[in-house]
Amino acid sequence: DAKTTQPPSMDCAEGRAANLPCNHSTISGNEYVYWYRQIHSQGPQYIIHGLKNNETNEMASLIITEDRKSSTLILPHATLRDTAVYYCIVRLPPINTNAGKSTFGDGTTLTVKP
Amino acid sequence: DSGVTQTPKHLITATGQRVTLRCSPRSGDLSVYWYQQSLDQGLQFLIQYYNGEERAKGNILERFSAQQFPDLHSELNLSSLELGDSALYFCASSVGHRDNAYEQYFGPGTRLTVT
Repeated sequence: DAKTTQPPSMDCAEGRAANLPCNHSTISGNEYVYWYRQIHSQGPQYIIHGLKNNETNEMASLIITEDRKSSTLILPHATLRDTAVYYCIVRLPPINTNAGKSTFGDGTTLTVKP
Repeated sequence: DSGVTQTPKHLITATGQRVTLRCSPRSGDLSVYWYQQSLDQGLQFLIQYYNGEERAKGNILERFSAQQFPDLHSELNLSSLELGDSALYFCASSVGHRDNAYEQYFGPGTRLTVT
């Protein structure tokens, strides 16, 4: 599996957009990019995923560069409840036996400030 | 609420003992995953089961074992416990082999403390 690199921490003002970068320069052609977040010691929460195209859902937007070597998670209007550790991971499609073995790195601790 | 349940929420036990952690996946999910999260090692993948069969194995110690039952719930057995096994243990589930979606839904975790 490709490894990802994320900044250890970021701050964002409440109400502003939070842009969380992730580098995955060794990603292979069929690996998806997934984002999860973990608030305190709760179970990680799925946010969004994508392969090549940009994606948007009710929680966030995912922008993947054309070469797929990096991506950005965008929380359009950050709130205090978005303070969490955000994990970017890449993984193979579920059909691949090893897809589930993807590890979560250290992630980015996002602190949303009033 | 992710729909994944884990019991117990907290567990305190002594070194050398054996414990069993239980996970019930979301309704309809066939895959179950176990993760260990300790302070110094982040979230580590242990093992995955799909529809009762082991599908992938990560850095799971030989003292640990798991199984998935016909009703799809799963148990993680930890034996000969050591102080270093103290951690949060998360279970996650996903639908299975959909080729373009792999959303995992995590349970609230079991906090294991070995004294």
